[in-house]
Order: sequence, then structure tokens, then C-alpha cells
Amino acid sequence: DIQMTQSPSTLSASVGDRVTITCRASQSISSWLAWYQQKPGKAPNLLIYKASSLQSGVPSRFSGSGSGTDFTLTISSLQPDDFATYYCQQYNSYSTFGQGTRVEIK
Amino acid sequence: EVQLVESGGGLVQPGGSLRLSCAASGFTFSSYWMNWVRQAPGKGLEWVANIKQDGSEKYYVDSVKGRFTISRDNAKNSLYLQMNSLRAEDTAMYYCARPLHGGAYESFDRWGQGTLVTVSS
Repeated sequence: DIQMTQSPSTLSASVGDRVTITCRASQSISSWLAWYQQKPGKAPNLLIYKASSLQSGVPSRFSGSGSGTDFTLTISSLQPDDFATYYCQQYNSYSTFGQGTRVEIK
Repeated sequence: EVQLVESGGGLVQPGGSLRLSCAASGFTFSSYWMNWVRQAPGKGLEWVANIKQDGSEKYYVDSVKGRFTISRDNAKNSLYLQMNSLRAEDTAMYYCARPLHGGAYESFDRWGQGTLVTVSS
């Protein structure tokens, strides 16, 4: 099974900050990686697919990069609506999610 | 508008059974693999199972194999999850999720609102 490890688990940041979240796969997953945002009580929302493709309707301040085993999600300028939990997902072999990164207000 | 609406959750005793349903609308349901994903309270996401467009292929996470069965009825645009021999660790919000391009293993671009399953005596 492919394990996904996100870091950090919690991130404290201010509005306007550049934020980077990392996700590491236990084996190569090529570019078969997605990122989601989830707010309390809501279903996850797809942000990025295939490592770097921006989902329709998602603001351009979100970007993804990486391939193989190491991936990053970057928010170029954090907005008030971005305080949430973020998950990575590999779909190279079945599907597994990272444990999540909570982005909180500093 | 694409909609996925889950139902069937509730409180069940350990060892009991429950059947979840997901009603799909706004897209050609029969053209998509479909998935169940769960989230235990305060925890992360876990993919549970998926099913091919015609129901001929089904895959499960190891922790539910032999206990859960995914199925679908394309005439009713509905997805199901039959859950037997339920355990406390199955307590979670269960989401129905649609893959972005309809394939077996993809990102999920549409999710339902979830249905809560609580396994407790």
C-alpha cells in the first residue's frame, strides 16, 4: 500500500503569507496526486489534480508541483477564506490520503 | 447541476448492518466509476471502495474487505454500500464521490454532503 505523509500537521500563518504544504509518497506515484481543501462540517473540495493542474473555479493563488514521491501545495497569498484543512491524495494505485494539514490563523 | 445525496446513516450496534445510498443527478451516472470515502470524527479521509460503470469490477480498502459490499443501480442513478459486521472503528461520515474524468482511480471533483454512521452499544 502507498502511504502519504503530509507536513506540517498544523501551520500558523497570517493573511497575505505565502504558504507551502508538502506531501511525500512512500513510493513513486508519477503525477497522480490531488489536493483538497476541507472546512469544518463540509465535504472536501478539489483544488489541484495531476499534481499541478488547477481545478476549474479554483483561485490561481493555489498551485501544485512535484512528481515521483515529493509534492507541494502553495498558496501564494493566504486569504481569510483559506483557513482550512488540506489533504493530498494519491491515485496511482487505489487511493490513499495524507493525514491532513490544518492552516490556522497566526 | 451535479448532485450527490447520501442517506441511510444512523446509530447501529457493533456487529450490526446498515445500507447506505447515494442518489446522483445532473450527470450521466452510468458513465462514471463511483466511490465511497469515509472520515472518522476529527480524523482524515479514507477511501473505502469503488465500482465500475457496469458493476463488473469492485475494489475495497483492506479494512472492509469481506464486510462491505458496494453496488449500483444505473436505472435509478444510485450507488449503495452494504455494511455488515460493523465495528466501532467504522464510525465515520461516509461520502459518495465522483471521479473527475470518470475513471477507476482519479481525483474526486464532486462529493455528497455525507451520511453519518455511528457504531456503538
